[in-house]
Amino acid sequence: DAGVIQSPRHEVTEMGQEVTLRCKPISGHNSLFWYRQTMMRGLELLIYFNNNVPIDDSGMPEDRFSAKMPNASFSTLKIQPSEPRDSAVYFCASSLRSGSDTQYFGPGTRLTVL
Amino acid sequence: SQQGEEDPQALSIQEGENATMNCSYKTSINNLQWYRQNSGRGLVHLILIRSNEREKHSGRLRVTLDTSKKSSSLLITASRAADTASYFCAPVLGNRDDKIIFGKGTRLHILP
Repeated sequence: DAGVIQSPRHEVTEMGQEVTLRCKPISGHNSLFWYRQTMMRGLELLIYFNNNVPIDDSGMPEDRFSAKMPNASFSTLKIQPSEPRDSAVYFCASSLRSGSDTQYFGPGTRLTVL
Repeated sequence: SQQGEEDPQALSIQEGENATMNCSYKTSINNLQWYRQNSGRGLVHLILIRSNEREKHSGRLRVTLDTSKKSSSLLITASRAADTASYFCAPVLGNRDDKIIFGKGTRLHILP
């Protein structure tokens, strides 16, 4: 049974470029989460979807970040324009029903912005 | 939503010894979850203990919950090199729109 799938696994880009991270949640899961992890700030929740609807985006750092979930099996996190301080590991996770259920994490995307 | 606070921040023990990590939280919860993160990987759910449970076991893991003290502990017995990881607790209120907020975790290092 496939877990959460993220792509790409690694991304190196230059400052100012657009970056799109992708996530496929576990089939049948209704909640999806995007996290960012850095040494300085730890693991931060960026946005949380339930039934494809954004429930809480209070963690999205600024307007350069946007997330979509067009259907139950796909989500994107876009950064435009990217900046060096966006360098981090971005994780996608899904859970069966809600934000308080057990979460299943993907392998992460390591983003480096030069 | 609330964030758990793990203690200690870092722990080094010899392989074969037991490791104990603690978690404190502030308000009443529905359940508390523990997760592990190996270096460079996503978090993995270890165990969930409900507010009406006091102790739960899973293999070499033992979790306790003291709701009166608003604290939980995770015990790993007979530690192995593969247990080297960061461990996070997640206190959950259980409201419909609740979310998990992860703290800084405990970094466990098992020495050979």
